[in-house]
Amino acid sequence: DTEVTQTPKHLVMGMTNKKSLKCEQHMGHRAMYWYKQKAKKPPELMFVYSYEKLSINESVPSRFSPECPNSSLLNLHLHALQPEDSALYLCASTSFAVAGANVLTFGAGSRLTVL
Amino acid sequence: EDKVVQSPLSLVVHEGDTVTLNCSYEVTNFRSLLWYKQEKKAPTFLFMLTSSGIEKKSGRLSSILDKKELFSILNITATQTGDSAIYLCAVLSGYSTLTFGKGTMLLVSP
Repeated sequence: DTEVTQTPKHLVMGMTNKKSLKCEQHMGHRAMYWYKQKAKKPPELMFVYSYEKLSINESVPSRFSPECPNSSLLNLHLHALQPEDSALYLCASTSFAVAGANVLTFGAGSRLTVL
Repeated sequence: EDKVVQSPLSLVVHEGDTVTLNCSYEVTNFRSLLWYKQEKKAPTFLFMLTSSGIEKKSGRLSSILDKKELFSILNITATQTGDSAIYLCAVLSGYSTLTFGKGTMLLVSP
């Protein structure tokens, strides 16, 4: 299995809803990432988990709450979002097996619309 | 602050043309440079470059890194309409920081 699987593919939510995005990989990768991508812009890093511990939080608002229950799963819990949070949310993972050889494998993304 | 600059930002060519996309970078503790192609969904991996002067090749695409001058190029020969996409350059530095350039939007017209 060489894929990163994200669910759901599309999500529409109101500003008062609570929802979660899920990401799963079975490649044995020990680093997992959440990126946010707006239209025609490059991905922006949100969070990095290394060995299931949060190692990087790029000053993301607390309405986004990441969780890494185990080495294969990464969740992004969403609560009280704003319309400007509508974007494509990308999960990625990589292995630390070889120094410098850290190719990120991206999931297909979850397209979020906040009404 | 780590910086990755891609040029041009957009490019329109005719099928069959050859294109060169540029990526320059300034980062602390460089580890590798990656090229991705992004169509409508997630970026798909093209190349990873860690050593200067060694060309990576895959079909009509090739890429090379110059660690002295801090840049990389991505060449696409005999372009096809299916090559139309955004090409992202990203640099891995430090422990696990990946910095993306703004991308080059390539449109190949028939």
